[in-house]
Amino acid sequence: AQSVTQLDSQVPVFEEAPVELRCNYSSSVSVYLFWYVQYPNQGLQLLLKYLSGSTLVKGINGFEAEFNKSQTSFHLRKPSVHISDTAEYFCAVSPTSNTGKLIFGQGTTLQVKP
Amino acid sequence: EAGVAQSPRYKIIEKRQSVAFWCNPISGHATLYWYQQILGQGPKLLIQFQNNGVVDDSQLPKDRFSAERLKGVDSTLKIQPAKLEDSAVYLCATYWPLYGYTFGSGTRLTVV
Repeated sequence: AQSVTQLDSQVPVFEEAPVELRCNYSSSVSVYLFWYVQYPNQGLQLLLKYLSGSTLVKGINGFEAEFNKSQTSFHLRKPSVHISDTAEYFCAVSPTSNTGKLIFGQGTTLQVKP
Repeated sequence: EAGVAQSPRYKIIEKRQSVAFWCNPISGHATLYWYQQILGQGPKLLIQFQNNGVVDDSQLPKDRFSAERLKGVDSTLKIQPAKLEDSAVYLCATYWPLYGYTFGSGTRLTVV
């Protein structure tokens, strides 16, 4: 079985500051890793995903994440945030089988202040 | 390419009533999931279909929730009778190896 822990429930940050949203996972099998963003009253949007290859993954809106297998982490970073980045962010994992289900963390609320 | 369509968008019912949600997946996507997202929490998997067969329903409260996927295409999720704690957004998602996971916009259920 897989599980995901997002270490911060809320992250307040000022506009143009860097941010890191932390994610740790647990799994007995190989997994794929994902970050999703959910704006208020909207659906889930894929930010980025790690399937294989380079451990540094670049996504949309200037976000990137680094897969660290030894620490079982997949932290999300952005060097300079905007007000429009205010949203809920979810880390998720799925087994590498073709029909593996997505398991989500509890979410981190990113609050960007002017 | 069309996305995953869900209806209704919103639903308000009284406790002990029944309700049904509908999902029309992307054509050809064999794997379909229903998730429950309670306010302030991450989505929780309720049931996974592969074509029209159930792969995993271990988290589905079977005393009140049921789901089916007719002919391996459209799917419906039903709650009967509803409880206050069922208030949530119900998300349908599909998976295809070339495309990954695609989520619908969800149905927001409020039980009063």
